[in-house]
Amino acid sequence: GAGVSQSPSNKVTEKGKDVELRCDPISGHTALYWYRQSLGQGLEFLIYFQGNSAPDKSGLPSDRFSAERTGGSVSTLTIQRTQQEDSAVYLCASRVGGQGAYEQYFGPGTRLTVT
Amino acid sequence: AQKVTQAQTEISVVEKEDVTLDCVYETRDTTYYLFWYKQPPSGELVFLIRRNSFDEQNEISGRYSWNFQKSTSSFNFTITASQVVDSAVYFCALSEDNQGGKLIFGQGTELSVKP
Repeated sequence: GAGVSQSPSNKVTEKGKDVELRCDPISGHTALYWYRQSLGQGLEFLIYFQGNSAPDKSGLPSDRFSAERTGGSVSTLTIQRTQQEDSAVYLCASRVGGQGAYEQYFGPGTRLTVT
Repeated sequence: AQKVTQAQTEISVVEKEDVTLDCVYETRDTTYYLFWYKQPPSGELVFLIRRNSFDEQNEISGRYSWNFQKSTSSFNFTITASQVVDSAVYFCALSEDNQGGKLIFGQGTELSVKP
């Protein structure tokens, strides 16, 4: 079946602009995660959605970052007033529901470059 | 606090050698899950294995094997008879049962298998 898809695959933006990154999880997966991968910080958790519960936003680095998940499926990560330190690969992952017992499947990522 | 340490930043071997990637974790939870992911040069994270904290049985899958030892908080990964296609960055990760499944990653080990 189809895996996790993300768009765009690459995004170049000017400092100060807003960007939106999209994630389509695997059908039937109720849990969705966003991570960021950068050279200096490795792989970092950003935010987590599970069904209709309030999202866990504990990993968002600043209030410029936000995310939503519509209809329990597609998710959008928004970064406002981008800064150069936001340059990274943004990864989305999904898994079946429940606690942490199940593996996450990752999308190909969106490479964000802030100039 | 939870933490994953992969002390080996880079490993280089010649094809057909065996290689072990080390992973040490820290957690206060009694129920947790450990994972290994592979990130080939193409960039997409590929799930390899999941182990539950209450199951210390080692596992073998083809040329891959995993050694889970709670006494030393380690979850090491061995590739037998390495091949060039094994060249990738390998990540060890931890999730705790009461943290919604979010993954805490190690810094990764870059494995280079030379012909």
